[in-house]
Amino acid sequence: DAGVIQSPRHEVTEMGQEVTLRCKPISGHNSLFWYRQTMMRGLELLIYFNNNVPIDDSGMPEDRFSAKMPNASFSTLKIQPSEPRDSAVYFCASSSTLGNTIYFGEGSWLTVV
Amino acid sequence: SQQGEEDPQALSIQEGENATMNCSYKTSINNLQWYRQNSGRGLVHLILIRSNEREKHSGRLRVTLDTSKKSSSLLITASRAADTASYFCATDRGDKIIFGKGTRLHILP
Repeated sequence: DAGVIQSPRHEVTEMGQEVTLRCKPISGHNSLFWYRQTMMRGLELLIYFNNNVPIDDSGMPEDRFSAKMPNASFSTLKIQPSEPRDSAVYFCASSSTLGNTIYFGEGSWLTVV
Repeated sequence: SQQGEEDPQALSIQEGENATMNCSYKTSINNLQWYRQNSGRGLVHLILIRSNEREKHSGRLRVTLDTSKKSSSLLITASRAADTASYFCATDRGDKIIFGKGTRLHILP
C-alpha cells in the first residue's frame, strides 16, 4: 500500500493567496484527519471525517479554513485568504476506523510570506 | 485543547541507556497510543494500549498505563542513535484523538 499521500509537499505562497492541500487516504480507511503542526502549538486536530462526512470541525481556526471530502479517496483542505500565521506543516492521516492506528502522510510544509 | 501532556519536553541520553517518557491526560480514555516522528517526517505509530490493559511490550518498547493516575509511560530499552526523534502520546476519548506536544529524544553517541 502506498500509504497516505499528500500534495504538495512544500508550498510557498504570498499572503492573501488561496492554498489548497490535497490528500489521498489509504484505501479502505473510513476515517480521515487533518492536523496542523507548529512549534508553538504542537499537533492540532483541525477536522476529521468518518465515511466522508465531517464529524468534528471544532479545531478549524476560522472561516478562512475549509475542508471537503467528496469521496472516500480524496480530501482537500483550503485556506482562503492565507496569512503568514498559517505557516505550518499540515498532516493528513487516516485510519480504518476511529480508535484504531492512525497512519500519517509526510505532510505539506506551508510557508505564507 | 491539549489532552495528553508529555514529560519531559526534551531528553538526552547516551546510546545504550534506557529512555523513559511520560504522558498525563485529563479525561477518561478508550485507549492511548504512542507515536514517533523523525525530523521532517510524518508520525509513525509505535504501540496502542487499551484502557483495560496495564502494560504492553513491543520489541524494545514497553508501555504502561495507570488509569487511576491518568498517566502512561513509554520505555525504550538499550537506546540506539536511530531512536533520536520526537515521541507523542495520543489519547482516544471515543469522540476524538488528541496528541500531546511530544518529548524530543536525543541519543548521544
